Amino acid sequence: EPEVTQTPSHQVTQMGQEVILRCVPISNHLYFYWYRQILGQKVEFLVSFYNNEISEKSEIFDDQFSVERPDGSNFTLKIRSTKLEDSAMYFCASSARTDTDTQYFGPGTRLTVL
Amino acid sequence: RKEVEQDPGPFNVPEGATVAFNCTYSNSASQSFFWYRQDCRKEPKLLMSVYSSGNEDGRFTAQLNRASQYISLLIRDSKLSDSATYLCVVKRRGGSQGNLIFGKGTKLSVKP
Repeated sequence: EPEVTQTPSHQVTQMGQEVILRCVPISNHLYFYWYRQILGQKVEFLVSFYNNEISEKSEIFDDQFSVERPDGSNFTLKIRSTKLEDSAMYFCASSARTDTDTQYFGPGTRLTVL
Repeated sequence: RKEVEQDPGPFNVPEGATVAFNCTYSNSASQSFFWYRQDCRKEPKLLMSVYSSGNEDGRFTAQLNRASQYISLLIRDSKLSDSATYLCVVKRRGGSQGNLIFGKGTKLSVKP
């Protein structure tokens, strides 16, 4: 069964460093998303991406964040200058053809900012 | 008021018990409704969509009351493997690509 994959599974970084989280969505999917979950908190929407551009972003997704689809398979989330409060699980998700299709989540990247 | 509210639990039940979770949502423009399951430190996984007429999938029954903005999940004959956090999720109507709004989740622990 096709699945969303994410690398790395765990990323440790120093405050102020840049990190890039990588995702490979399901191959025929067209809509891509990033969510985050701070430990003990709810899953929060960050950004959605379609047709090579951001379609929606939340208040959390400020200028420190950016997304990119550098090739036909990868979807990345970059945090330019990490803060302690960026420590969280970051989940990538994808859906097929329309925004009403089921979103399938990757296993997540645990980001720890020291 | 939180957009999606759930009783955090934990619900501690014996195997074979029936357990019900409730959820309320505040945005009447919400379009689609789901229950996701999340195991500890894992990704959310879709358990079932929730339809106005109510729907059942094996031991799981979901119901939606749009007038009351209330969603429920019933688990019958609970198994040890049902132990997880159950997330109530809504999607808004509108021109966006439809991001999901998650509740904080209800933790279920099924004991032998």
